[in-house]
Amino acid sequence: AQSVTQLDSHVSVSEGTPVLLRCNYSSSYSPSLFWYVQHPNKGLQLLLKYTSAATLVKGINGFEAEFKKSETSFHLTKPSAHMSDAAEYFCVVSQNYGGSQGNLIFGKGTKLSVKP
Amino acid sequence: DGGITQSPKYLFRKEGQNVTLSCEQNLNHDAMYWYRQDPGQGLRLIYYSQIVNDFQKGDIAEGYSVSREKKESFPLTVTSAQKNPTAFYLCASNKRSSTDTQYFGPGTRLTVL
Repeated sequence: AQSVTQLDSHVSVSEGTPVLLRCNYSSSYSPSLFWYVQHPNKGLQLLLKYTSAATLVKGINGFEAEFKKSETSFHLTKPSAHMSDAAEYFCVVSQNYGGSQGNLIFGKGTKLSVKP
Repeated sequence: DGGITQSPKYLFRKEGQNVTLSCEQNLNHDAMYWYRQDPGQGLRLIYYSQIVNDFQKGDIAEGYSVSREKKESFPLTVTSAQKNPTAFYLCASNKRSSTDTQYFGPGTRLTVL
């Protein structure tokens, strides 16, 4: 079975400092991995996705994530936080077997706060 | 503009009433999905449909029903059998490949009074 664990429910950083949101996954198959961002009372927006090409994936708004198979991790990083980055972030793995093709397994989310 | 629309944005329901949430997409996507979001629990899959006139139960289908009569539309009915319906509901769509990005609508917040 596939699963996703986001290691921190809440991360707080100061504006201009680096951001690290941690995600570990479990998958018996070659996974597709995603990071989505959600601002309050809004839908989800894709930040980036990994689909077995380059292990370092660059996304929108300066975010990137590195797929590390040996560590089963897909941590999200950004060198310098902006106030507008304050939101909830979801790490997601795609179910790639049987009749569930295309279904996503969501982590519980990490709420990012950015202090001025 | 291509995208997914959900209506209404906010919905209030009395206990014992059925209510239908709308989801429409003009992205020409084959697959559509309904998720429920509760605080601290991420998103959980209610139903999904990979093709017109076909749909499958997700992880938490009890108390919900769907239809897929048209490619662009995937309405969700929250029935009176759903014991705790107050939540934020998100609709998504993509092409049928599992590696394709799912695009999300803006969501409907349902509150049971």
